[in-house]
Amino acid sequence: GAVVSQHPSWVICKSGTSVKIECRSLDFQATTMFWYRQFPKQSLMLMATSNEGSKATYEQGVEKDKFLINHASLTLSTLTVTSAHPEDSSFYICSASSGQGIAKNIQYFGAGTRLSVL
Amino acid sequence: AQSVTQLDSHVSVSEGTPVLLRCNYSSSYSPSLFWYVQHPNKGLQLLLKYTSAATLVKGINGFEAEFKKSETSFHLTKPSAHMSDAAEYFCGRSSGTYKYIFGTGTRLKVLA
Repeated sequence: GAVVSQHPSWVICKSGTSVKIECRSLDFQATTMFWYRQFPKQSLMLMATSNEGSKATYEQGVEKDKFLINHASLTLSTLTVTSAHPEDSSFYICSASSGQGIAKNIQYFGAGTRLSVL
Repeated sequence: AQSVTQLDSHVSVSEGTPVLLRCNYSSSYSPSLFWYVQHPNKGLQLLLKYTSAATLVKGINGFEAEFKKSETSFHLTKPSAHMSDAAEYFCGRSSGTYKYIFGTGTRLKVLA
């Protein structure tokens, strides 16, 4: 299957700082990438959908100024948590999909990033 | 609204016995359906997908799922559980867009 790499896998930061998480599709061009948030023992909550070269579409209730998403190329999307606070601590997972090839209409997931804000 | 319901939040089986994880979906037409597995602190791995071809879908690691339109179900099964199958399993669907809707997950515990 297609491979999606997410980095870092774990990050600890101080309250008020910003954290950037990278999501890369390694063996296919991802026309669409998704960012999810997962609380302990709960399902995935879609935060936003990003298409290469255009602005991300955020789900209702997700602050776009808080969670900045950039999808500048067909293999890279980034999520920046700005001015992080302890309530932003969570597990963030990205996924990537394409309109063709091995990832056609299927989301392949990264391994996730655990963010801990002190 | 479109939804996915996983009927059991926890399932425990003994090693070597069959696994059944239940999933129902709501829809007025046949969606694309998926099962993913998540091991602790890991992302989701695709087990199998249904996209309106054969109703019995075979996936990786010996898992399979049967699409039953009359019951709006897509239950995941495996004939013989292995200790390494212990994980969280998510049923999901997409419907014409790239967006997925996930169920709340089923935690599978495999007893030695």
